[in-house]
Amino acid sequence: KQEVTQIPAALSVPEGENLVLNCSFTDSAIYNLQWFRQDPGKGLTSLLLIQSSQREQTSGRLNASLDKSSGRSTLYIAASQPGDSATYLCAVRLGLRDAGGTSYGKLTFGQGTILTVHP
Amino acid sequence: EPEVTQTPSHQVTQMGQEVILRCVPISNHLYFYWYRQILGQKVEFLVSFYNNEISEKSEIFDDQFSVERPDGSNFTLKIRSTKLEDSAMYFCASRRGTGGGNEQYFGPGTRLTVT
Repeated sequence: KQEVTQIPAALSVPEGENLVLNCSFTDSAIYNLQWFRQDPGKGLTSLLLIQSSQREQTSGRLNASLDKSSGRSTLYIAASQPGDSATYLCAVRLGLRDAGGTSYGKLTFGQGTILTVHP
Repeated sequence: EPEVTQTPSHQVTQMGQEVILRCVPISNHLYFYWYRQILGQKVEFLVSFYNNEISEKSEIFDDQFSVERPDGSNFTLKIRSTKLEDSAMYFCASRRGTGGGNEQYFGPGTRLTVT
């Protein structure tokens, strides 16, 4: 069974710092990995998706890397701003055929990292 | 930009009552999902739906739950007889699939409170 863990559980940094959020998963036979942002009481906003064949993806100040063989991904946020304060979730999708048969795309989520960026 | 919408945003119901949560996925998407998040816990997969049938479901998705795509736009989750432990935020998601992208797009959620 796929387990996804995120470290740290919470992070508080001053504005302007570069920071790294970590995600690890137990089953390396993934199809892709998605990073989301969740604001309090709100839905999930997709930030980046990395296919299993890719090593990294970039969007603005965000960069996500993937090391499938070691079961790890990192989300790098450059020059953090107070508006980046939110919970960041990592989610993995298993490969098209897992031990139990075909996966139709269900995501397995980590518990999230709560990020606070203070001015 | 197209988005997934969900109604209602908040539903309060009494234990034992039936509830229907509604979602409108992005119009050209083919794969649909329901997830839930109990307060303070991880987002959990409930069910996936493709080609007008359930393609995968979790252990949570027992006989009390059902999903339907009654027309070309809506996707619903029904809970027949709600329990206190069904209180959670329920998220609908959709994905284009078939060469059109693997990203799942989530709606804003419906907060279900069972009293």
